[in-house]
Amino acid sequence: EAQVTQNPRYLITVTGKKLTVTCSQNMNHEYMSWYRQDPGLGLRQIYYSMNVEVTDKGDVPEGYKVSRKEKRNFPLILESPSPNQTSLYFCASSLAGGNTGELFFGEGSRLTVL
Amino acid sequence: GDSVTQMEGPVTLSEEAFLTINCTYTATGYPSLFWYVQYPGEGLQLLLKATKADDKGSNKGFEATYRKETTSFHLEKGSVQVSDSAVYFCALNPGGSASKIIFGSGTRLSIRP
Repeated sequence: EAQVTQNPRYLITVTGKKLTVTCSQNMNHEYMSWYRQDPGLGLRQIYYSMNVEVTDKGDVPEGYKVSRKEKRNFPLILESPSPNQTSLYFCASSLAGGNTGELFFGEGSRLTVL
Repeated sequence: GDSVTQMEGPVTLSEEAFLTINCTYTATGYPSLFWYVQYPGEGLQLLLKATKADDKGSNKGFEATYRKETTSFHLEKGSVQVSDSAVYFCALNPGGSASKIIFGSGTRLSIRP
């Protein structure tokens, strides 16, 4: 089954404790991206990757890091989480080419930073 | 810059009512347009799309027509069901790459039995 898998789905942590949210896709997609969803703000892009070892900032990259060492994986790293990073996070993937731009989303990771 | 504006929610309707969720966009070129749906506890999934003017996207009884003259892509359904309760996102891709997709703020729809 074609899917994007995120882990963990739920996490409560404390300020300053480094954490990683993993994302893996099995569709051989070149493009992967991270979004955060906040009430009234819709989806905002954090980082994206066009292919292995190619990453770029989205609209709200501050406080986040990513890496793309393998095509299927795109982890989101919070080196020193703060309460304003409490949010619902989504990983998405797509074929890079063409302008249809259909994204495939994971089920989301709800993060609470105390 | 490019943007998407959709009607604020929440929208509450009775079962079998007619649904319209408005979406307008601003784009300099010829974007592709999408509606995504997010059911409770799930990620977004593509509901329908249209890639050029006057195209009609349709799926699961939902329809939306790409209107270039009014820069709109309103979502409609003739008879909603309780299972349609979800958050709906209008989105556009100005072209060239999935990295450029822009989402609206989402409209929460609740259907009463």
